Amino acid sequence: DTGVSQNPRHKITKRGQNVTFRCDPISEHNRLYWYRQTLGQGPEFLTYFQNEAQLEKSRLLSDRFSAERPKGSFSTLEIQRTEQGDSAMYLCASQQGMNTEAFFGQGTRLTVV
Amino acid sequence: AQSVTQLGSHVSVSEGALVLLRCNYSSSVPPYLFWYVQYPNQGLQLLLKYTTGATLVKGINGFEAEFKKSETSFHLTKPSAHMSDAAEYFCAVHWGKLQFGAGTQVVVTP
Repeated sequence: DTGVSQNPRHKITKRGQNVTFRCDPISEHNRLYWYRQTLGQGPEFLTYFQNEAQLEKSRLLSDRFSAERPKGSFSTLEIQRTEQGDSAMYLCASQQGMNTEAFFGQGTRLTVV
Repeated sequence: AQSVTQLGSHVSVSEGALVLLRCNYSSSVPPYLFWYVQYPNQGLQLLLKYTTGATLVKGINGFEAEFKKSETSFHLTKPSAHMSDAAEYFCAVHWGKLQFGAGTQVVVTP
């Protein structure tokens, strides 16, 4: 078990470009979360999956954001037409059941220039 | 709407002094409760959790937290702060999804 893996670790993109991030959870974990974190703030919930089903997406999330978890294993988060306000750390976490520890990846730091 | 509130975005404590970080949630149904810590340039890691059973839970690095249903609180304490406790601490609740508070930055002074 190598933990939760996120790629890339850093991404610099020009405003208006699309970006895609990948998260590989711990293999037996059925829940997968995406969060966004900016400096000095707590992780902001974006969306989560139970197996391949996307159960909830934050109402604050723009339609430019989409996430998939096609086979209930890895997940991707895509941001279309990036804006400077999208610059943040994007965190992925996986969990087996609601009352267990969620394990976090190291995050992908996005900078939109 | 359900929410989790951490009182105080910054706390400064002297080495050896008590650390007290406050967390309150709003819900008529007690959620599962967690405290996570984030050291500089590192990922989040679990300190402790409450799901059921004993309301005083012990975690790593000498931290503990007490679930008080009547006060809808889950405050985190450590009797004696160490320099290595300097980090950001997040309270989190699970109501179907895992939701975090805004965090409390802890500074430990010699």
